[in-house]
Amino acid sequence: QSALTQPASVSGSPGQSITISCTGTSSDVGGYNYVSWYQQHPGKAPKLMIYEVSNRPSGVSNRFSGSKSGNTASLTISGLQAEDEADYYCSSHTSSSTVVFGGGTKLTVL
Amino acid sequence: EVQLLESGGGLVQPGGSLRLSCAASGFTFSSYAMSWVRQAPGKGLEWVSGISGSGSTYYADSVKGRFTISRDNSKNTLYLQMNSLRAEDTAVYYCAKTLGGSGWYGSSFAFDIWGQGTMVTVSS
Repeated sequence: QSALTQPASVSGSPGQSITISCTGTSSDVGGYNYVSWYQQHPGKAPKLMIYEVSNRPSGVSNRFSGSKSGNTASLTISGLQAEDEADYYCSSHTSSSTVVFGGGTKLTVL
Repeated sequence: EVQLLESGGGLVQPGGSLRLSCAASGFTFSSYAMSWVRQAPGKGLEWVSGISGSGSTYYADSVKGRFTISRDNSKNTLYLQMNSLRAEDTAVYYCAKTLGGSGWYGSSFAFDIWGQGTMVTVSS
């Protein structure tokens, strides 16, 4: 199972919006509405930010939103803040009953 | 407080074995599918294995036949038995609780609670 494809890095200034893409295939991202997004700060465990493509767990800021079109899912962060600087990972259920993660995207807040 | 606490990591020689444990508290352990996810030094997340509340198991191709996931619902504990370890298994291993119910297919395949991780180093 190949990892989902994410850009290695993205950046934005405070207050701006950024979007991180996550590209898979019809056997994972495109075939199921089970895409999740995680935020990971250095030395910390990942934190769930989005599940089932566009749902936010309780306590996650509404500045974070998710969507999907075909085999590509996207995470958008609006009103960028300094504390949003972190690594972001997407994941998806697969047709093999497994879970696959993306390679990760480093978000830099300029 | 919902909490997961991993233990059992350490240094092991190639070809060796190690068993990781993950003690759960603050929620009804048997009602949730669980997973192990690893992260090699400086690398991304990799899903390793999952188990439903009733014990159905699922594995990544990279560990199938070498790793065994299990759970003891009476002890609120998740395990990962790792055999025939290789250098490429070196990573921080996290246990993670799924967001949904006890069934693997009802779990949303999303992990809402993570442990702090335990480091496994495979080296001679």
